[in-house]
Amino acid sequence: NAGVTQTPKFQVLKTGQSMTLQCAQDMNHEYMSWYRQDPGMGLRLIHYSVGAGITDQGEVPNGYNVSRSTTEDFPLRLLSAAPSQTSVYFCASKPDGYYGYTFGSGTRLTVV
Amino acid sequence: EDKVVQSPLSLVVHEGDTVTLNCSYEVTNFRSLLWYKQEKKAPTFLFMLTSSGIEKKSGRLSSILDKKELFSILNITATQTGDSAVYLCAVEGPFNKFYFGSGTKLNVKP
Repeated sequence: NAGVTQTPKFQVLKTGQSMTLQCAQDMNHEYMSWYRQDPGMGLRLIHYSVGAGITDQGEVPNGYNVSRSTTEDFPLRLLSAAPSQTSVYFCASKPDGYYGYTFGSGTRLTVV
Repeated sequence: EDKVVQSPLSLVVHEGDTVTLNCSYEVTNFRSLLWYKQEKKAPTFLFMLTSSGIEKKSGRLSSILDKKELFSILNITATQTGDSAVYLCAVEGPFNKFYFGSGTKLNVKP
């Protein structure tokens, strides 16, 4: 049982480049979210999904797009990378009901 | 605006000490409050507290929720160096959106 799998683990981008952070879960969880974590800022919600085909914005959605075509996959797209998007990105999933999120191992992104 | 505030931001103790971490919140339509432990990588789940479960205990860790005063505390007794980590508090609002505090960094010295 792999849980939540994120790829890549590390990435360096140049300003203006685009890329997609991959996230997949094999637990048949309905809810998935993307967070970014910056020093001293805790985890901030970027986008979330309550099921396949349904997504919504979180606290800091600007510069990011998501889609949820299947229950398993929830990719995060950076449209035009900026140095302010340098961060650690976590994908997480949970089933319906009173459960906490299970997190992936994270992607450390540096934009130069 | 929904927010979660944790205190203190950091804490240094010695093995065997007892620590109390605080989490206060203002979140619309509160559903639950969770505590996570984060070491090097991803946060790992510790406790969930809801209206029907306002006190939890697991070994040396315990937590309570005060829904009237809108706060929670996480207690760790007889601390060990393996307890060194960032402890995150998260509050669930509507649509399963979780709001995280900035964390408390705990350093337990031998």
